[in-house]
Amino acid sequence: DTEVTQTPKHLVMGMTNKKSLKCEQHMGHRAMYWYKQKAKKPPELMFVYSYEKLSINESVPSRFSPECPNSSLLNLHLHALQPEDSALYLCASSQDSGALGETQYFGPGTRLLVL
Amino acid sequence: KNQVEQSPQSLIILEGKNCTLQCNYTVSPFSNLRWYKQDTGRGPVSLTIMTFSENTKSNGRYTATLDADTKQSSLHITASQLSDSASYICVVSAKDSGGSNYKLTFGKGTLLTVNP
Repeated sequence: DTEVTQTPKHLVMGMTNKKSLKCEQHMGHRAMYWYKQKAKKPPELMFVYSYEKLSINESVPSRFSPECPNSSLLNLHLHALQPEDSALYLCASSQDSGALGETQYFGPGTRLLVL
Repeated sequence: KNQVEQSPQSLIILEGKNCTLQCNYTVSPFSNLRWYKQDTGRGPVSLTIMTFSENTKSNGRYTATLDADTKQSSLHITASQLSDSASYICVVSAKDSGGSNYKLTFGKGTLLTVNP
């Protein structure tokens, strides 16, 4: 199984809602990532989890809250988002976050629209 | 500042033709360079990955080259197909100051359209 899955595929939420994005991989990877991608822009790194611990937080606003319940799952909890947070949210995983030559496997993304 | 510049921004070719996409980078210290293909609304898929010592790497009709001296890479697509229409992103990784993690710098991508 070389797949990273993400749910939901699409999400529409109001600025007062609380929602969660989910990501799952069963490749035994120990590093997982959240990226945000706006239209026609490259992905921007948000968070990195290494061995289930948050290792990198790229100064992301607190309305985004990551969680790694176990080595296969990664969640992104959303609360009080702004319309400018609308984007494609990509999850990725790799064998290890620090090894040379690592390839990150990306999920299909969740298309988020904040009204 | 680590940067990855890709050219052209967009490219339209006819099915069956070849094309070459360019990537210039100023990432340091260089770890590796990858090319990803991203279909619209989907996550990127890795095509090739090259380290400092590798000059060429192929994956089917995709051939990537790397010149670490000039800090340039190219992705050559042979006998293009309609399904090659996508954004092609060059991603360069560098070790962080602590040497324990590597950080990715993404290019803005080249949008390739293959027409019948």
